[in-house]
Amino acid sequence: GQQLNQSPQSMFIQEGEDVSMNCTSSSIFNTWLWYKQDPGEGPVLLIALYKAGELTSNGRLTAQFGITRKDSFLNISASIPSDVGIYFCAGPRNTGNQFYFGTGTSLTVIP
Amino acid sequence: GAVVSQHPSWVICKSGTSVKIECRSLDFQATTMFWYRQFPKQSLMLMATSNEGSKATYEQGVEKDKFLINHASLTLSTLTVTSAHPEDSSFYICSARPDRGLDEQFFGPGTRLTVL
Repeated sequence: GQQLNQSPQSMFIQEGEDVSMNCTSSSIFNTWLWYKQDPGEGPVLLIALYKAGELTSNGRLTAQFGITRKDSFLNISASIPSDVGIYFCAGPRNTGNQFYFGTGTSLTVIP
Repeated sequence: GAVVSQHPSWVICKSGTSVKIECRSLDFQATTMFWYRQFPKQSLMLMATSNEGSKATYEQGVEKDKFLINHASLTLSTLTVTSAHPEDSSFYICSARPDRGLDEQFFGPGTRLTVL
């Protein structure tokens, strides 16, 4: 079935650096969701995008809905240790209410 | 808003027993809830879609008689792992889709199941 490819798979960065990750699909989406998952916890919704070209911020996080509708980007500015976790993108299936999930980007912030 | 709870947060059981996990949407109604399974360092694997008032829809390869789902109200879905075996040990996460027409879902904190 459909798979959302996330890049990079993992990142190791210094505290204070900016982070950029993306998510691509082979088909068009009308919604992009970005989640963060801490170890042993459920994913938490960070940003929801509903319109092509849309740029939305949530604190130090900014996400963009790609114009082609086949990709989305998530940026984190001035990273801090609590940004550590796995970031997932998600998009709705064409039929039903289910969602496809990305392969995840693991972020490590070095103090 | 949009809070989902799961209970229990962890459970250890003997092989052959059944375990029930509850998923509740605390401040919204959800006709549709989802159950996922997650293996270490992997993404979420959708097991089934739970629909209030009707039968759950299972993903290919998921045994419906093994993983019983009941969605008796607009705020509660339960997953029962029947006759659990060690290979059923995993992290189970539910999510709920609010009945407000947007493509979104909110996750519970997850349940760690260990079968001895």
